[in-house]
Formats: sequence, C-alpha cells, structure tokens
Amino acid sequence: GENVEQHPSTLSVQEGDSAVIKCTYSDSASNYFPWYKQELGKRPQLIIDIRSNVGEKKDQRIAVTLNKTAKHFSLHITETQPEDSAVYFCAAGFGGYQKVTFGTGTKLQVIP
Amino acid sequence: GAGVSQSPSNKVTEKGKDVELRCDPISGHTALYWYRQSLGQGLEFLIYFQGNSAPDKSGLPSDRFSAERTGGSVSTLTIQRTQQEDSAVYLCASSLEGRKLFFGSGTQLSVL
Repeated sequence: GENVEQHPSTLSVQEGDSAVIKCTYSDSASNYFPWYKQELGKRPQLIIDIRSNVGEKKDQRIAVTLNKTAKHFSLHITETQPEDSAVYFCAAGFGGYQKVTFGTGTKLQVIP
Repeated sequence: GAGVSQSPSNKVTEKGKDVELRCDPISGHTALYWYRQSLGQGLEFLIYFQGNSAPDKSGLPSDRFSAERTGGSVSTLTIQRTQQEDSAVYLCASSLEGRKLFFGSGTQLSVL
C-alpha cells in the first residue's frame, strides 16, 4: 500500500518568513495530493490539493509543488502569519475507490 | 445536516467496558474513514469503507476494535473491553471517491 513520509515534524519560523513542508510517497500510481490544516482543538480541513497533471498550484500565500519523477511534493507558505500556526498533514491517493493515506504531520509555529 | 456528524462528542468510560461511537457522513458520500488521534499526535488510520466494497480494516489495532457501516451511510465504531491506551479523539471523515475529505468534530474518548 501507499506510504507517505513527511518532514519536518516541527517547524518554527518568524512571522513574515516562508515555511516549507515536504512529503514523499511510495506508490507511483498515486495522482491526488491534498494538504490539510488542523488548528488546535479543531478538525482537519483541506487547504489545497494538486493532481498529477499539474506541477504547481497556488492559492494566495500557499502553493504546492509536485515532482512525480521523484515522488515528492511540498507545501510552501509565504509571508507567514500567526494564524498559520497549526499542524499540517500531507496525503496521497489514487482517486476513484482508493483510500487517501496521510503523512505524520508537521507542527508549524509562527513566532510574532 | 450539512456536515459530518459524530456522537457522542465526549465519552467517559471505565476500563473493560464496551463503547460505541457513531458517525453520520454527508449524504451521498460513498467513502468513510475512521481515524484515531492521540493528544499532539498524527492521524492514525483505523478503517475505510468505500461503497459496497469490503472495508479496508488494515489499521484496526486489535480485535477489540470493529466497525460497520449500515446501508452505505451511518457507521459505528465499537471498542470492546476498553483499555486506558484507547483514550484518544476518534475522527470520522467522508468523501466522494477520490476527493476532499470532510471531517467530523470527533469523539473524545476517556478510559478511566
């Protein structure tokens, strides 16, 4: 089955700096790569996703890049703000009837 | 309802008792997941239902854990002979196949 590794497990950045979280996956058939944000005490929520026919996707201050050859994808947050502090989970899936597999999470702390 | 509903929101039980946790997915969602999340930890996959297919039970930690999904809708996660290490938040999520997961607010289980 799919195995997703995520790094780093914790990340501290100064407000205004950029943050990058990286994930690798094992199943070359995976073609759907979502990212979820979980604020303290709340449920995970989708913030951005990318499908394998696209190399990069951007939504305001967040972007995701995908390298299918290397089987890795990354989340980039620019101009970080205190409200970006949360745990971020990457995931990989095949779509259709295959389950989505999550990484182990990255706790991001933005220091004001 | 508009979202995934879980009940109860909190459950306190004594060691050795059985508990049942309920999940009402979004209407029409064919995929349903159960996860366990200990304090400050990641999403531990438990079980995945997809339509009428046999569930993926590969994440269930022991035979004390079981789940069913009746009529392709409501799901119940049952933990028999609860142990203190079962204490965690149990999250349910649903989705259309291969798409965004919608999480419930979880059941906080405390085993005394």
